Amino acid sequence: GAVVSQHPSRVICKSGTSVKIECRSLDFQATTMFWYRQFPKQSLMLMATSNEGSKATYEQGVEKDKFLINHASLTLSTLTVTSAHPEDSSFYICSALSGNTIYFGEGSWLTVV
Amino acid sequence: GENVEQHPSTLSVQEGDSAVIKCTYSDSASNYFPWYKQELGKRPQLIIDIRSNVGEKKDQRIAVTLNKTAKHFSLHITETQPEDSAVYFCAASDHTGGFKTIFGAGTRLFVKA
Repeated sequence: GAVVSQHPSRVICKSGTSVKIECRSLDFQATTMFWYRQFPKQSLMLMATSNEGSKATYEQGVEKDKFLINHASLTLSTLTVTSAHPEDSSFYICSALSGNTIYFGEGSWLTVV
Repeated sequence: GENVEQHPSTLSVQEGDSAVIKCTYSDSASNYFPWYKQELGKRPQLIIDIRSNVGEKKDQRIAVTLNKTAKHFSLHITETQPEDSAVYFCAASDHTGGFKTIFGAGTRLFVKA
């Protein structure tokens, strides 16, 4: 099946700094990707829909200026957590649409200290 | 907004018994209902899915039923094994309207040997 890769798998950053997470579709082109956040023992919460060549569509309650999404190519979407705080520590996972099938990345653990 | 409710949050069964997890969804436009199994810190793994034009689907020990009128769908696992122990998520998506997938809260299944 199709492969979606995320990088980094784990990252630790200092409070107040920004961190970028990449989501790549390795063997297909994805005009649409999705970003989720998952706190421990909780569900995957959709943050935004990333659309290639246009602005992302954010879910209610998600700050677009804090969680910057860029989908500049058909194989790459990036999520930048700006001015990170400890409460942003979470598992971030992307998914990409190929045909009518969704493929998930491996996820990225973010720890803000 | 769209909402998917999932019950129970925790389910403990004896090996060999059946397990049933139930979900309801709010968005009548939803037409695709996947079920995922997730191990801690890993990406969700699709285990079975059902589309709105089908009422039931079975794959070996796993079956899913869908009642579109009531907006209910359920996962049935028969002859449970200890390796079935994991967190299971139901989800609902509109495959004609953007493929945005909304997840249920998850069910932690314990299968006791």
